[in-house]
Amino acid sequence: DTEVTQTPKHLVMGMTNKKSLKCEQHMGHRAMYWYKQKAKKPPELMFVYSYEKLSINESVPSRFSPECPNSSLLNLHLHALQPEDSALYLCASSQVYGRGEETQYFGPGTRLLVL
Amino acid sequence: GEDVEQSLFLSVREGDSSVINCTYTDSSSTYLYWYKQEPGAGLQLLTYIFSNMDMKQDQRLTVLLNKKDKHLSLRIADTQTGDSAIYFCAERRGGNKLVFGAGTILRVKS
Repeated sequence: DTEVTQTPKHLVMGMTNKKSLKCEQHMGHRAMYWYKQKAKKPPELMFVYSYEKLSINESVPSRFSPECPNSSLLNLHLHALQPEDSALYLCASSQVYGRGEETQYFGPGTRLLVL
Repeated sequence: GEDVEQSLFLSVREGDSSVINCTYTDSSSTYLYWYKQEPGAGLQLLTYIFSNMDMKQDQRLTVLLNKKDKHLSLRIADTQTGDSAIYFCAERRGGNKLVFGAGTILRVKS
């Protein structure tokens, strides 16, 4: 099983709302990732968690707040977003981070629209 | 600079072979990947190749790596309409950071 699930599939929110994106994997992977993908562009890395600790923050604005409550779950808390934050948010996981061959497996994404 | 480059569009007839090309930048990249993305969906891992290999075959897929020229290609044999999608190559840089190309739109005409 190489499945990464994400909820919700679609999300519409206003600029004053607070919402959360969720990601789950049951492959025993200890590294999880958030990517942002704008239309007709490649995915761009936002955050990396390794063993439930934040390892990489690619200078993401603080209105995006990641959380890794356990090794299977990854959340992305959203607050005071801007319309330009509208994008497809992809979660990925890999066995570990930073050693050897660590293929990343992606979820289907959450399509976010900020009004 | 730092970009992974791909041609933007490829159109082939059903049953023909498709070849998607990619040029990467970091000669120390250890792994190179091909992902497929269908409309509105996430990324599906197709295949990957380790940098000490020059070819890898997996059913209809053949990956060729020219490390000297930092050139990677994906050949899809007997291309089907279901292969229509965007194909991203990605190089793995420091740690496990994936850097993606802009994607190649493959259109398969029946």
